[in-house]
Amino acid sequence: DQQVKQNSPSLSVQEGRISILNCDYTNSMFDYFLWYKKYPAEGPTFLISISSIKDKNEDGRFTVFLNKSAKHLSLHIVPSQPGDSAVYFCAAKSGTYKYIFGTGTRLKVLA
Amino acid sequence: KAGVTQTPRYLIKTRGQQVTLSCSPISGHRSVSWYQQTPGQGLQFLFEYFSETQRNKGNFPGRFSGRQFSNSRSEMNVSTLELGDSALYLCASSLDGLTGELFFGEGSRLTVL
Repeated sequence: DQQVKQNSPSLSVQEGRISILNCDYTNSMFDYFLWYKKYPAEGPTFLISISSIKDKNEDGRFTVFLNKSAKHLSLHIVPSQPGDSAVYFCAAKSGTYKYIFGTGTRLKVLA
Repeated sequence: KAGVTQTPRYLIKTRGQQVTLSCSPISGHRSVSWYQQTPGQGLQFLFEYFSETQRNKGNFPGRFSGRQFSNSRSEMNVSTLELGDSALYLCASSLDGLTGELFFGEGSRLTVL
């Protein structure tokens, strides 16, 4: 039962353009959502989060959008840089000390 | 401030053996959780500990177990290893496991032959 889904295993974007990574969830009890970035041979690093009471959160080049009615989360990276090439995981939490992660999307930013 | 430290970073075992992985959380963090990462499966939740108590457990067989010590350091153990246990095991810490983000270690890469 995959409660958090990232349906695109990979994405390629030209440097300077916008990268949009998507995430869908099924559990309406999730109250907190996060995005992580992971480079090979390293642990995931936190990027940005959003509470379920908000629909948008920005941090520099990164913006997360939450559409609760559609149970959809997206991460926008503008402008995309080659150093952004990594695997991106979305995660959700429902207050039960358990963060549920998606399967990841591999982003490749082409120079 | 030191990050989450996991040891060992790499290890190779054979089927039927057991393995113990260690995790030292960020100072002041009392919640430690463990995840298994395999290709195509993302990060699968194993269990979460707070103040030496397991508060939540994922859908893994009983061969997977863990514990937390009074200094918040945690260990996980996998007994009777199977080929499918080959994975990256990630430890994450947070202040209380309820709010904010998880901070991950670099992981322990287990290969079962």
